[in-house]
Amino acid sequence: AQTVTQSQPEMSVQEAETVTLSCTYDTSESNYYLFWYKQPPSRQMILVIRQEAYKQQNATENRFSVNFQKAAKSFSLKISDSQLGDTAMYFCAFAQPLGAGNNRKLIWGLGTSLAVNP
Amino acid sequence: DVKVTQSSRYLVKRTGEKVFLECVQDMDHENMFWYRQDPGLGLRLIYFSYDVKMKEKGDIPEGYSVSREKKERFSLILESASTNQTSMYLCASSLGPHRDGYTFGSGTRLTVV
Repeated sequence: AQTVTQSQPEMSVQEAETVTLSCTYDTSESNYYLFWYKQPPSRQMILVIRQEAYKQQNATENRFSVNFQKAAKSFSLKISDSQLGDTAMYFCAFAQPLGAGNNRKLIWGLGTSLAVNP
Repeated sequence: DVKVTQSSRYLVKRTGEKVFLECVQDMDHENMFWYRQDPGLGLRLIYFSYDVKMKEKGDIPEGYSVSREKKERFSLILESASTNQTSMYLCASSLGPHRDGYTFGSGTRLTVV
């Protein structure tokens, strides 16, 4: 069965510094999607960044980037120039097939709580 | 701006009551999902639907049912609420192949007393 592991339950970083959140996953598929979601204290879950497994280039969205290592099944999130508004729970997720066709459901890690300190 | 709207942000119900949690999306998404979120347990899938009148059990369907009579609306039903169903409930929707990820509602904090 596919699994997603986030080994850091809690992390903290000083404002303006860089932090990396870890995520590993297990799958036998060759193509799939990986996602990072952010859930701030207001609790609305927001998509931060996504990666398609067949693309070797690491995805980047402004201050957020990933280090995708397919062979190692690793998908870490780097946040540069951390801001107070980055304080949130971060979830890593993997899209697995639901069955026939293209429908998929997400497999979730348990999350990493990130605190950005002033 | 695309949206997933959950009808209640906070809800308090009594043990044994029948509870309806409503979710509406305006993006014409095919897939809709109900999760519950508990500290230390992450997100657990209760039910999902990939078409009108279609439903599939997730990982923890016991004590819940769902209804999807229209594409935009996906309702979660607690047939007889119990205190162990006190939780945060999140609704989400997505297009077919999930390459764009999910769009979430803002959640309903349900307390069963």
